[in-house]
Amino acid sequence: EVQLVESGGGLVQPGRSLKLSCAASGFTFSDYNMAWVRQAPTKGLEWVASISYGGSNTHYGDSVKGRFTISRDNAKSTLYLQMDSLRSEDTATYYCARGSSGDYWGQGVMVTVSS
Amino acid sequence: DIQVTQSPSSLLASLGERVTITCQTSQSISNNLNWYQQKPGQAPMLLIYYATSLQTGMPSRFSGQYSGRSFTLTITSLEPEDIANYFCLQHYSAPWTFGGGTKLELK
Repeated sequence: EVQLVESGGGLVQPGRSLKLSCAASGFTFSDYNMAWVRQAPTKGLEWVASISYGGSNTHYGDSVKGRFTISRDNAKSTLYLQMDSLRSEDTATYYCARGSSGDYWGQGVMVTVSS
Repeated sequence: DIQVTQSPSSLLASLGERVTITCQTSQSISNNLNWYQQKPGQAPMLLIYYATSLQTGMPSRFSGQYSGRSFTLTITSLEPEDIANYFCLQHYSAPWTFGGGTKLELK
């Protein structure tokens, strides 16, 4: 059974950093591109970043470019999102999703940026 | 970016009723659109992929169709467990973009 489990969320002050993890199981992690998607309270879904299966290619949404870094450890079947210089508008539930078309998603982890 | 307009944003329906949700894209994406069901506190679940293919394990009362830039998700006969939020995702071109979601509730 494919499972994606996010962790690392919480309350953080503006300007600080946070690192999210997404532990994958039930499939060969290194065969799949992966992505992060977020949903702010009462807002729609927004693609945040994607990474190729080998980790060599990454892409970012304009709202996070230069502040967030997506990475992966295929040996640990884990996806990461390093979030720096956090802003109040980054407050959202963050989901990891599998593949180039998002066939499986995690249950999400909440990130709240507030002083 | 490709814009995706989903309607309605909310829907009241009765058990056994036929339900239709629509996503319209701002440009042609062929069939590169997925439909998801999401219940509170749970991971989004893929219902329909590539516009018309039913994900393994999903009930056959769910179906997808498309014509040009218009995509529809249909539930032929609403069941209690179908009460949820539904959204579409276009994966034709980066970045992924999403419909605004439909909250399906019981009448």
